[in-house]
Amino acid sequence: RKEVEQDPGPFNVPEGATVAFNCTYSNSASQSFFWYRQDCRKEPKLLMSVYSSGNEDGRFTAQLNRASQYISLLIRDSKLSDSATYLCVVNTGNQFYFGTGTSLTVIP
Amino acid sequence: ETGVTQSPTHLIKTRGQQVTLRCSSQSGHNTVSWYQQALGQGPQFIFQYYREEENGRGNFPPRFSGLQFPNYSSELNVNALELDDSALYLCASSRDRGQETQYFGPGTRLLVL
Repeated sequence: RKEVEQDPGPFNVPEGATVAFNCTYSNSASQSFFWYRQDCRKEPKLLMSVYSSGNEDGRFTAQLNRASQYISLLIRDSKLSDSATYLCVVNTGNQFYFGTGTSLTVIP
Repeated sequence: ETGVTQSPTHLIKTRGQQVTLRCSSQSGHNTVSWYQQALGQGPQFIFQYYREEENGRGNFPPRFSGLQFPNYSSELNVNALELDDSALYLCASSRDRGQETQYFGPGTRLLVL
């Protein structure tokens, strides 16, 4: 079983739409959680950390449910520039595990 | 820009050869992690170096080895290259080991023929 599982998509949504990505992790001892964004042929870039209380950064909201071992990312009012692959990342204390990524294309 | 740099940007090698990839960590960061990212996959953890010592290793064979220098820059060495080693190799630096946020360099694209 993979440490981190994501729906690979692709998600194709119109500009202005709201889109949600989900991710599950297998290790209940996981300690920290992140969403990274990766543009085509570029390196991953930190989008936001994910906290149990949930956190918001502009149009982006991340949630963590430790009981269900589930992480989510909500993007509101999608922009063309949001088109990218979104990687769910889980840290177990000494190792980071990445999901395969979810591909998002925002259509004009 | 994260301040993490990697060299070279691209590399072509043949099967059986050896390769060395380099990474300079962000100023103030003492931890470097290396990842292999195959096409269509997420990054896979190779190993991490903290203050010049290996601090964790993923499921990669011993022909993948590394070093970290006193200035916290790092090298990834791969011996006896195989076709499946073709991938994007990413270096990430963090302020400390453990749960600290990682910042990635632009990567080195390795093609093994």
